[in-house]
Formats: sequence, structure tokens, C-alpha cells
Amino acid sequence: GDSVTQKQGQVTLSEDDFLFINCTYSTTTYPTLLWYVQYLGQGPQLLLKVTTANNKGISRGFEATYDKGTTSFHLQKASVQESDSAVYFCALVEGGNNRIFFGDGTQLVVKP
Amino acid sequence: GPKVLQIPSHQIIDMGQMVTLNCDPVSNHLYFYWYKQILGQQMEFLVNFYNGKVMEKSKLFKDQFSVERPDGSYFTLKIQPTALEDSAVYFCASSSPQGPNTGQLYFGEGSKLTVL
Repeated sequence: GDSVTQKQGQVTLSEDDFLFINCTYSTTTYPTLLWYVQYLGQGPQLLLKVTTANNKGISRGFEATYDKGTTSFHLQKASVQESDSAVYFCALVEGGNNRIFFGDGTQLVVKP
Repeated sequence: GPKVLQIPSHQIIDMGQMVTLNCDPVSNHLYFYWYKQILGQQMEFLVNFYNGKVMEKSKLFKDQFSVERPDGSYFTLKIQPTALEDSAVYFCASSSPQGPNTGQLYFGEGSKLTVL
């Protein structure tokens, strides 16, 4: 079945550091790939999505490229801020399905 | 943006009791979901619901769980009886008819359930 893997449980950075959060996926369909962000005490909210392979999604300084060759969708940001501290979920929607598969989440802690 | 409201935000009950978690989805949305989150991380899919019916449910959706949306009111998750392992934060989400395939779900702020 479909799955999403995030290897990093937590990432700790200082302000202005470069962010890289690992995400790989497994599917037999043509999925839409997404990143959700969950701030403390809130529900997850969509950060960015990419529906087509080899395309890049960009939002609020974050970017992720749908790489079909390596089945990856890593999240990057050039310079993080303390306000970016949150849990980031990589997710996949199967083509033609109504179900979203979430990765286990990566908690980002940004120190001032 | 669109809001999903969840009531209550926190509920503490004794093991074996019944609990109902309520969700007021975005007004024109037709697909509804419940997710279970433990320890602030893993988002585990429980069930999705459309047109008055359960479309799909996971292994976590035990026989003690049920969902309904009577007469277009709240979308509810009922657990009867509750067990200690049901302690978690439960998130409701909704999406428009186009939403599920695009991954655009709108989540509420969660209902934290503590079973003693």
C-alpha cells in the first residue's frame, strides 16, 4: 500500500539556518504530494502541494520538489525563523482516491 | 480562511464511559474525516465519511467507534465504551467535493480526550 516516510523525528536549528526535512514515498498511483504544518495547539494546515512529477511547490519561503526518480519530496527553506517552529507532515493523496497518507511528522525547533 | 470547529476542546472521562466528539465542518464541504494523534506527532487516519456513509475506515477504527452526521448537523465521533488507549487528540477535517483528490483538507483544532 501507499506510505510516506519521514526519517527525522526532530530537527533543531538556529535562526537563519538552512532547513532540510527528509521525505520519501511509496505508491503505485500518480499521487499528489503535500506538506502540512501544525503549530502548537492547532490542527495541521496545508503548506504546499505538488500534483505533477518534477514540479516544485513554493510557499512562504518553503519549497519542495516532487522527484519521481528518487520518490522524494524533501522540504527546504533557505533561512528559518523562530516562528517556523512546528511539526511538519509530508503527505500523499492517491490518484483518484479520497484518502491522505501522512508521514510520522518532523518537529522543527528553531532557537533564537 | 474556512474554519472547522470542534467541541469539546478537552474531555476527561473514566474508562468504560461513552464520549461523543463533535465537529462543525466547513459549510459547503461534503467529505469528512477523523484522525487520531498521539504525542503530538503521528496523524493516524480513522475514517472518512461522505453522503451519509462511511467510505473507508482504518484498523484503528474499532467496533466501539461510530460516526454520523444526523440531518446535516455536527459530524460526530462516538466511542462506547472508551479504553485507556483511546487517550489522544482527535482531529476532524473536511474537504470540498474537489478537495480529497487535491489533498486540501481543513482541520479543526482538535479534541483532546483523556481516559482515566
